[in-house]
Amino acid sequence: QVQLVQSGAEVKKPGASVKVSCKASGYTFTSYPIYWLRQAPGQGFEYLGWLSAGNGAPIFSQRFQDRVTFTKDTSANTAYMELTSLRSEDTAVYYCARNNWNRLDPWGQGTLVTVSS
Amino acid sequence: QSVLTQPPSVSGAPGQRVTISCTGSSSNIGAGYDVNWYQQLPGTAPKLVIYGDTHRPSGVPDRFSGSKSGTSASLAITGLQAEDEADYYCQSQDSSLSGEVVFGGGTKLTVL
Repeated sequence: QVQLVQSGAEVKKPGASVKVSCKASGYTFTSYPIYWLRQAPGQGFEYLGWLSAGNGAPIFSQRFQDRVTFTKDTSANTAYMELTSLRSEDTAVYYCARNNWNRLDPWGQGTLVTVSS
Repeated sequence: QSVLTQPPSVSGAPGQRVTISCTGSSSNIGAGYDVNWYQQLPGTAPKLVIYGDTHRPSGVPDRFSGSKSGTSASLAITGLQAEDEADYYCQSQDSSLSGEVVFGGGTKLTVL
């Protein structure tokens, strides 16, 4: 079945960077964009941007464009999101999701990133 | 502040029907962008329950239905069951944000 499996929880200090992976299976990885979102504790969803799994072109939300990078390893069917200059307000569960004709389906299981000194 | 507006909470007894509204504007729902709905059970990732305004993915019970009119959309759940207790989020896109995805703030459904 179509599935996205993300890397495990991370604890980082303020100012550090974090890289989250998202491994796809059950479909042709290069045929669908991968979206990245986050959900702070008790909050709704915030959009970070997306990556074309085909040509690798990234599109960033204006709010994060100077701190986030999207990459991919097509041979491993894996997308990556790196967020730099972490601050406490970046503490959240980070999700990847496949964009299937303008609907996000499925989602990865989420990766908790905790930023704390 | 979410771009799309949802009520913070709704509730209903088992077997009843509930609706969750999602209000947008002329730059998102009113511009014709699809509205999708996600169910998020506690501690889990969101699951798509309605896409393209009214369509149900395979495996989603037909108790779930979606509608859209003007700048608003709604999710209806009939024959409410305890397992439906979750947070529900609407999602669309917004032309004033270069087509970025936008979400509602979420609605907590409580089955009494």
